[in-house]
Amino acid sequence: NAGVTQTPKFQVLKTGQSMTLQCAQDMNHEYMSWYRQDPGMGLRLIHYSVGAGITDQGEVPNGYNVSRSTTEDFPLRLLSAAPSQTSVYFCASASQGYYGYTFGSGTRLTVV
Amino acid sequence: AQSVTQLGSHVSVSEGALVLLRCNYSSSVPPYLFWYVQYPNQGLQLLLKYTTGATLVKGINGFEAEFKKSETSFHLTKPSAHMSDAAEYFCAVSLYNQGGKLIFGQGTELSVKP
Repeated sequence: NAGVTQTPKFQVLKTGQSMTLQCAQDMNHEYMSWYRQDPGMGLRLIHYSVGAGITDQGEVPNGYNVSRSTTEDFPLRLLSAAPSQTSVYFCASASQGYYGYTFGSGTRLTVV
Repeated sequence: AQSVTQLGSHVSVSEGALVLLRCNYSSSVPPYLFWYVQYPNQGLQLLLKYTTGATLVKGINGFEAEFKKSETSFHLTKPSAHMSDAAEYFCAVSLYNQGGKLIFGQGTELSVKP
């Protein structure tokens, strides 16, 4: 099993550009989430999903969009990148009855 | 809504000493509680979790944590620190009726001195 796969691992964007961070899991997990990690601030929840077609906002949703058309995929879209979105982004998934998330290896994004 | 506070952004212990990392939570309904560990330049790994039942939970690498409802705490302990325990540790909480929403604390960096 690949677990949770995030692509790309590294990305540099110019201010104003848009892009999509990809996340896929092969464990048939119902729950999927996106977090950003910044020094001294822990992991902050951006958006999460409890199943295909269902998404909700987390703690810091502004500037990001998500959709969940399949159980496996949960892409994160940056609409117009800003330097404040420079961060490490983690995708995670969990089964409904387990409540323990499995994390991907992260995407390091720099916005210049 | 739920929240987590980790007391101490940096903790330093000597090898062989007790490790104690503090976590307090806030929630309006029974919480599910987790500890994760992150080694440098890696993702997060689940150490242990409390959902229901026994309040003292044991995890990997000799760590354990006790859920104390009266103190709204879930502190992480290990009797004897090893150099390989040096990492960042995160406490997290979700609610039993919102299992998809996991909220993290700010993290505690553990250093282990030889």
